Amino acid sequence: AQSVTQLDSHVSVSEGTPVLLRCNYSSSYSPSLFWYVQHPNKGLQLLLKYTSAATLVKGINGFEAEFKKSETSFHLTKPSAHMSDAAEYFCVVSRSYNTDKLIFGTGTRLQVFP
Amino acid sequence: EAGVTQFPSHSVIEKGQTVTLRCDPISGHDNLYWYRRVMGKEIKFLLHFVKESKQDESGMPNNRFLAERTGGTYSTLKVQPAELEDSGVYFCASSPAGTISYNEQFFGPGTRLTVL
Repeated sequence: AQSVTQLDSHVSVSEGTPVLLRCNYSSSYSPSLFWYVQHPNKGLQLLLKYTSAATLVKGINGFEAEFKKSETSFHLTKPSAHMSDAAEYFCVVSRSYNTDKLIFGTGTRLQVFP
Repeated sequence: EAGVTQFPSHSVIEKGQTVTLRCDPISGHDNLYWYRRVMGKEIKFLLHFVKESKQDESGMPNNRFLAERTGGTYSTLKVQPAELEDSGVYFCASSPAGTISYNEQFFGPGTRLTVL
């Protein structure tokens, strides 16, 4: 069975400082991994995705994530937080065949202080 | 290009009543998904349509939930009769044809359902 664990339910950073949102996954197959973001009253937006190509994945708005198979991790990072990054972030895994069902982590709410 | 739209944005009903949620996917997307987030829990898959056919309905919680996608365009999710534990945010997503897992799923803003 596949699952994801987001290690922090809340993360607070100051504007201009680095962001680290942690995610560990469990998968019996080669996983596809995603990070989605949800801003208040908006739909979920894809930040980036890993699909067994490059292990360092660059996404939108300066975010990136590194797939580490040995650590079963897919942490999301950004060098410098912006106020507009305040949102809820979801680490997601899907099966590599059959259906596209997405399996979500419980979410990490990011607060950015001025 | 319009994104995935959902109606209504909010619905408040009493236990035992019926509610129907609607999702309009991005035009031309064959795949349509329903997910649900119950308060304090993770977002969970409910079911997956390919055009008008149910590809995977393994996440549907019970037979009080009925999803349809007549004509392979918009979809409805009916809850009848609604129970307190059905409260949550219902998300719809769509993606282009094919079942390759790294196809991005485009999400709507969700319908917040409150059952009193």
